Amino acid sequence: TAGITQAPTSQILAAGRSMTLRCTQDMRHNAMYWYRQDLGLGLRLIHYSNTAGTTGKGEVPDGYSVSRANTDDFPLTLASAVPSQTSVYFCASSEQGGGHNEQFFGPGTRLTVL
Amino acid sequence: GNSVTQMEGPVTLSEEAFLTINCTYTATGYPSLFWYVQYPGEGLQLLLKATKADDKGSNKGFEATYRKETTSFHLEKGSVQVSDSAVYFCALIDYGQNFVFGPGTRLSVLP
Repeated sequence: TAGITQAPTSQILAAGRSMTLRCTQDMRHNAMYWYRQDLGLGLRLIHYSNTAGTTGKGEVPDGYSVSRANTDDFPLTLASAVPSQTSVYFCASSEQGGGHNEQFFGPGTRLTVL
Repeated sequence: GNSVTQMEGPVTLSEEAFLTINCTYTATGYPSLFWYVQYPGEGLQLLLKATKADDKGSNKGFEATYRKETTSFHLEKGSVQVSDSAVYFCALIDYGQNFVFGPGTRLSVLP
């Protein structure tokens, strides 16, 4: 199985433009997550979804929005990108939200905002 | 709130050396603890985990023991290889909460 796929692999974006990062999982996991990874800060949670139709805010949600129309897909949208959103973005999933469930990660999207 | 602290990197070792990467945590409940590894250009992969005090997680020669009394989960390996070069993340999840990751420790193993 593919597990979690993310697209695009990398992107350069002009400030002020919008962009949607795509994430799809084929494991039928209920919970999905978006993180950003920045040097020295580890991974910080942006948004999460414990089940299709619900979403929640993580540690750094400002400037980002998500939707969870179905189990498999969890797109992350930047409505008006700013240079501070330059980062590597990882999508993850787990069987259930919370609890003690292992998270599985996608390969990441490297985004540069100029 | 919950937090994870890891030793500062980068850590540079020669092949077959002994590895320790320190990890301590702060949590309000009884978290599960994890070590994830990130190889260059890839996403994070689970390396090992422990779900309760005194549990030892192990995988690929790596070990970590959940020490509640010292709130620690140090990662060890007796003999590292060049292929172990990666970034290692300590993480916790407290029941009903979300994952909290440490900042990561970069390990470079020289032949």
